[in-house]
Amino acid sequence: GAGVSQSPSNKVTEKGKDVELRCDPISGHTALYWYRQSLGQGLEFLIYFQGNSAPDKSGLPSDRFSAERTGGSVSTLTIQRTQQEDSAVYLCASSVVGGGIWNEQFFGPGTRLTVL
Amino acid sequence: TQLLEQSPQFLSIQEGENLTVYCNSSSVFSSLQWYRQEPGEGPVLLVTVVTGGEVKKLKRLTFQFGDARKDSSLHITAAQPGDTGLYLCAGASSGGGADGLTFGKGTHLIIQP
Repeated sequence: GAGVSQSPSNKVTEKGKDVELRCDPISGHTALYWYRQSLGQGLEFLIYFQGNSAPDKSGLPSDRFSAERTGGSVSTLTIQRTQQEDSAVYLCASSVVGGGIWNEQFFGPGTRLTVL
Repeated sequence: TQLLEQSPQFLSIQEGENLTVYCNSSSVFSSLQWYRQEPGEGPVLLVTVVTGGEVKKLKRLTFQFGDARKDSSLHITAAQPGDTGLYLCAGASSGGGADGLTFGKGTHLIIQP
């Protein structure tokens, strides 16, 4: 079956521009997560959705970052007025249900964002 | 803030050797997961350990959860070039909340033929 997909796979933008990253989770997965991975680093949690609501936005680095999810499916992560430090791979994951000790997350391939 | 420290950060060994990767924290986790990530791809779940002292085996990989559920180890026997990748440990919140996982920075493993 289809896994988690993300688009675009690569995005190069100029400092100050806005970017929108898209995530299509596995069908039927109610929980959706966004992470950021800088070069050579582990994953930094950004935001979590349960259905269309985001009970945990604690990881968003600044108010330039926002995310939404519609129809309990597709999610978009928007970064406004991009800065060079925003350059990273943005990973999306989904799971059948959020939280809990099992919380098996299935990851997409990521979007590599480069801010010039 | 819950933190997971992984060691070593980098490891390059010859095919056929054994190795152990460690994941340590001062915090208690309700469960701990190990993922493997290859370049250009997202992490893929290898195993979830839940019970303190639990040992799980996946072919040549042996995973152990510490008795106090604060640490874990991954042991690979007779490493193969196909084992090359970034190994990440991730802890699920002990508070039972629906947070994202807390990830370590990973161990970059290279198995040379």
